[in-house]
Amino acid sequence: SQTIHQWPATLVQPVGSPLSLECTVEGTSNPNLYWYRQAAGRGLQLLFYSVGIGQISSEVPQNLSASRPQDRQFILSSKKLLLSDSGFYLCAWSVRGGRYGYTFGSGTRLTVV
Amino acid sequence: TQLLEQSPQFLSIQEGENLTVYCNSSSVFSSLQWYRQEPGEGPVLLVTVVTGGEVKKLKRLTFQFGDARKDSSLHITAAQPGDTGLYLCATLPGGDKLVFGAGTILRVKS
Repeated sequence: SQTIHQWPATLVQPVGSPLSLECTVEGTSNPNLYWYRQAAGRGLQLLFYSVGIGQISSEVPQNLSASRPQDRQFILSSKKLLLSDSGFYLCAWSVRGGRYGYTFGSGTRLTVV
Repeated sequence: TQLLEQSPQFLSIQEGENLTVYCNSSSVFSSLQWYRQEPGEGPVLLVTVVTGGEVKKLKRLTFQFGDARKDSSLHITAAQPGDTGLYLCATLPGGDKLVFGAGTILRVKS
């Protein structure tokens, strides 16, 4: 069966520090991978998505970047965190097309202080 | 403006009551997905509806896709505290990117 792992679960980082959040998927090949951010427990905003190794599409201009060094690995990064980067970050995967739904990781609560 | 408008934004009810939450849009969709998210966790897919007028049931949850495929509803019968969470509708307006509504926060008190 397919599983998705996301870590860390919580993170407190000072302003100006770097960030690296990692997401890995098991049990599937060539997944679409996504990073979402959720503010205040409401709707999800798509940040990045990837349809293959090295292929990254950015949805919202911001202080973050994403990389996909391996087929089932997706990394969210920042060189210098801002206070506004605080939030709940969710990684997800889907088969091509997404019509069978997304499977989400358990999320990372990031607090920038 | 949001592609998907969800209402109400927040709902607090007593255990055993029935409730309906809505997901509306001015656009026509080929399909609509419903997710439930518990605090501190990622959303979990409940159901996908694809045909106008379609009704799907998942235990005490009934999902309906509007005839014109512009809206959907989720009805919960005899709500329980375990139903507490954020209910999100989502759709694929084009390509593989899922777009979410802002969600309905449901609290069921015992």
